[in-house]
Amino acid sequence: DTGVSQDPRHKITKRGQNVTFRCDPISEHNRLYWYRQTLGQGPEFLTYFQNEAQLEKSRLLSDRFSAERPKGSFSTLEIQRTEQGDSAMYLCASSLPRKAAASYEQYFGPGTRLTVT
Amino acid sequence: AQSVTQPDIHITVSEGASLELRCNYSYGATPYLFWYVQSPGQGLQLLLKYFSGDTLVQGIKGFEAEFKRSQSSFNLRKPSVHWSDAAEYFCAAASGDYKLSFGAGTTVTVRA
Repeated sequence: DTGVSQDPRHKITKRGQNVTFRCDPISEHNRLYWYRQTLGQGPEFLTYFQNEAQLEKSRLLSDRFSAERPKGSFSTLEIQRTEQGDSAMYLCASSLPRKAAASYEQYFGPGTRLTVT
Repeated sequence: AQSVTQPDIHITVSEGASLELRCNYSYGATPYLFWYVQSPGQGLQLLLKYFSGDTLVQGIKGFEAEFKRSQSSFNLRKPSVHWSDAAEYFCAAASGDYKLSFGAGTTVTVRA
């Protein structure tokens, strides 16, 4: 079990540029989640996938944000026309549906820290 | 609205002393409850979880948490803190849908 991996770990970009982040979940985990964490706050839910289907999106996910999980394995999160307010840590997590309660147990990757200048 | 509250933003504790971090939740029904720890620049590591049953749950790294329905609380404790426990701790809850709602976190500083 290699854990959830995210790439890149750090990204610095200029305002107005597009960025894309990748998340590789724990193998066999069919649920994948994206969260955003700003300084001094807890993570906030953005969206989640079950296999390749995107089942829920937060109102935090503006039209500039899009997430995909084309083959039900890795996922990408793209931010178009970045703004300074997008600077945050973007966390990915995965879970495996077993018994109902255990489905809620999420394992997090190390995150991608985005800085928009 | 569903929410998780961690009343303490920052706690300083001496090495070897006990630690208690508070967490309160506001949900219509009892949610599933979790504690995560985050070291600087790192992702979140699951310390322990409560689904049902025994209200005192044991986790990794010597941590335990007690669920109290009457107080809507799920406080985290450790009897003797080590310098390596300095980190940020997050309480989280989930109910119905699968997304976690997190508190704002408590930063723990350990002094020698």
